[in-house]
Amino acid sequence: DAKTTQPPSMDCAEGRAANLPCNHSTISGNEYVYWYRQIHSQGPQYIIHGLKNNETNEMASLIITEDRKSSTLILPHATLRDTAVYYCIVRVAGKLIFGTGTRLQVFP
Amino acid sequence: DVKVTQSSRYLVKRTGEKVFLECVQDMDHENMFWYRQDPGLGLRLIYFSYDVKMKEKGDIPEGYSVSREKKERFSLILESASTNQTSMYLCASSFAGFYSNQPQHFGDGTRLSIL
Repeated sequence: DAKTTQPPSMDCAEGRAANLPCNHSTISGNEYVYWYRQIHSQGPQYIIHGLKNNETNEMASLIITEDRKSSTLILPHATLRDTAVYYCIVRVAGKLIFGTGTRLQVFP
Repeated sequence: DVKVTQSSRYLVKRTGEKVFLECVQDMDHENMFWYRQDPGLGLRLIYFSYDVKMKEKGDIPEGYSVSREKKERFSLILESASTNQTSMYLCASSFAGFYSNQPQHFGDGTRLSIL
């Protein structure tokens, strides 16, 4: 079973920041949090991952709370092409366990 | 950028046929994986390989086998295709260590239909 909990859906206006939350209250001290997204009919696309420090790359930022029980993926300026299902994942025994994710709809 | 290429986007085969799905990665990754994705069931790991000629069973290996003769190529074989193997098949690769923190990178998938 997935070790993460995400809201099933979110909306965001184009050009605004999209903040996608994730709860992982049972995460262990050495387990990383990974974010992927999947656009319809394509394979999952890796976005970002982190352990305990905040991370940023060209796609997004990842904010992890100090107790590591939750995190937020931030897309700073959402576009229509960011409409996808976003998965927050904590690896279990080396395996990626994809839950049901958050369906993000970006609207004009 | 990491490139994981799956040989076919769509494939239609008949029950009982032997089916080969091919995957190639260009990043010199040690690890390669095969998943299937079904509605309501998420991604399930079929097999993975951490080196040439090495393979390990995942969560649902029954009815499948794999081959890794070269580092960049990982093949999934359906020995005798059945209708319950109709699914989206996803290949992924990553740098060394099944338990390492390196992310897996996925191909675009093969949507396989068994008639």
